[in-house]
Amino acid sequence: ETGVTQTPRHLVMGMTNKKSLKCEQHLGHNAMYWYKQSAKKPLELMFVYSLEERVENNSVPSRFSPECPNSSHLFLHLHTLQPEDSALYLCASSQDVKGGNTEAFFGQGTRLTVV
Amino acid sequence: KNQVEQSPQSLIILEGKNCTLQCNYTVSPFSNLRWYKQDTGRGPVSLTIMTFSENTKSNGRYTATLDADTKQSSLHITASQLSDSASYICVVSESYGGSQGNLIFGKGTKLSVKP
Repeated sequence: ETGVTQTPRHLVMGMTNKKSLKCEQHLGHNAMYWYKQSAKKPLELMFVYSLEERVENNSVPSRFSPECPNSSHLFLHLHTLQPEDSALYLCASSQDVKGGNTEAFFGQGTRLTVV
Repeated sequence: KNQVEQSPQSLIILEGKNCTLQCNYTVSPFSNLRWYKQDTGRGPVSLTIMTFSENTKSNGRYTATLDADTKQSSLHITASQLSDSASYICVVSESYGGSQGNLIFGKGTKLSVKP
């Protein structure tokens, strides 16, 4: 248990559906992240939030929409996804975005399948 | 271009044997290097972190080494157990004004320990 909780653990959705992934951290961290992990690829950073403000958006398609209502919660809203968006979506948090040797703590991930 | 390359891609060993995983990187300027363990379908969990001045660090049966001159790191697992079966990911952090910057992920080495 890393202190970062993601729900749901598994999600199957059609290309016309709208769904949301949820992440919650109980570590008092200021920064939260969304990563995408596809088979045989390195983790890809999608979004970074620091103190509820988005500080990085790595050219992610608009069908992925993040929301950070407070420093403990992070959402990823999904709509009109494509089959190639099927992957493991990981949420992480760290004390700060940049600073010293701050460690990223990962959640268990949501296994997303788009059909 | 900042990159992290890991080898081998996959490895099968018998329970009780030792193994060594390799990580080569071209990240510059360098801040720190971490090894993460990721069980199937779960988020990565940090094993070790090393900065420029550290050559070796141990965490139980895991020992990581770092050669900052040749930009190489290794993770040695001693007396392997079935529970060591996982992907091991090398993550290098760029230096950003003396603090940690972007994280560059390797693709990971998938280790299978057989009885």
